[in-house]
Amino acid sequence: SQKIEQNSEALNIQEGKTATLTCNYTNYSPAYLQWYRQDPGRGPVFLLLIRENEKEKRKERLKVTFDTTLKQSLFHITASQPADSATYLCALVDGGFKTIFGAGTRLFVKA
Amino acid sequence: GAGVSQSPSNKVTEKGKDVELRCDPISGHTALYWYRQSLGQGLEFLIYFQGNSAPDKSGLPSDRFSAERTGGSVSTLTIQRTQQEDSAVYLCASSLSGDPDTQYFGPGTRLTVL
Repeated sequence: SQKIEQNSEALNIQEGKTATLTCNYTNYSPAYLQWYRQDPGRGPVFLLLIRENEKEKRKERLKVTFDTTLKQSLFHITASQPADSATYLCALVDGGFKTIFGAGTRLFVKA
Repeated sequence: GAGVSQSPSNKVTEKGKDVELRCDPISGHTALYWYRQSLGQGLEFLIYFQGNSAPDKSGLPSDRFSAERTGGSVSTLTIQRTQQEDSAVYLCASSLSGDPDTQYFGPGTRLTVL
C-alpha cells in the first residue's frame, strides 16, 4: 500500500542546533515533494519544494534533500530558534495534482 | 483579500444536521483544494477544482459530502446528515495554476458534531 511517514514523536532540540526531520514514502513515484509548516490552529504554510531531479534545495536556514532511491526526504533547519517550533508536514505529488500529506513531526526548540 | 479565507471558523452541529463550509480563494487562483485534518493526523485530500474542468471528487469519503465552486471562485463544501466521525478541521487551499506548486491555505473550519 502507499504510505508517507514522518516521525510521530516530537523532536526536542536546543536553540542554535540543527534540526533534522525525516520523510519516508513507499509505493509512490512523486514528481516533487514539498515541506510545509503548521502552527496550532492555523493552516499549513508552504516552505520548500524539491523536484525529483534535484538532490538538494536551500532557502535561508532551511535545506531539503530528496533521495528517490531511498524514497526519503530530509528537512534541516540550521541555527534553530524557538520561533521555529511548529509541526512540519511533508507532502508529495504523485503525478497530476493530488497532494498526499504526512501526519507531520512536531519540533520544539528550547531557548 | 490577501489570503484564503474560510467561514465559519468554528461550527458545532448536532448529529444528522447538514452543514455548509465556505472558502474564498486568493483572487486569480484557478485551482482550489479541500482537505480534512483530524486530530493528530495529516491532511486528507477531499476534492480538487481546476478552472472550468470537472472536479476530482475521488477523495470524498462518502456521498454525504459534496462541493461546488461557483464562477471559478468561491467554493462550498456541504456535509449532509453529519456524523460524529465528521468532526475535524476542514482546510481549503488555492494555487495559481493546476500544478500544485505552492498551495496557500486558509485558517480552516473546525467542525464539531455532537
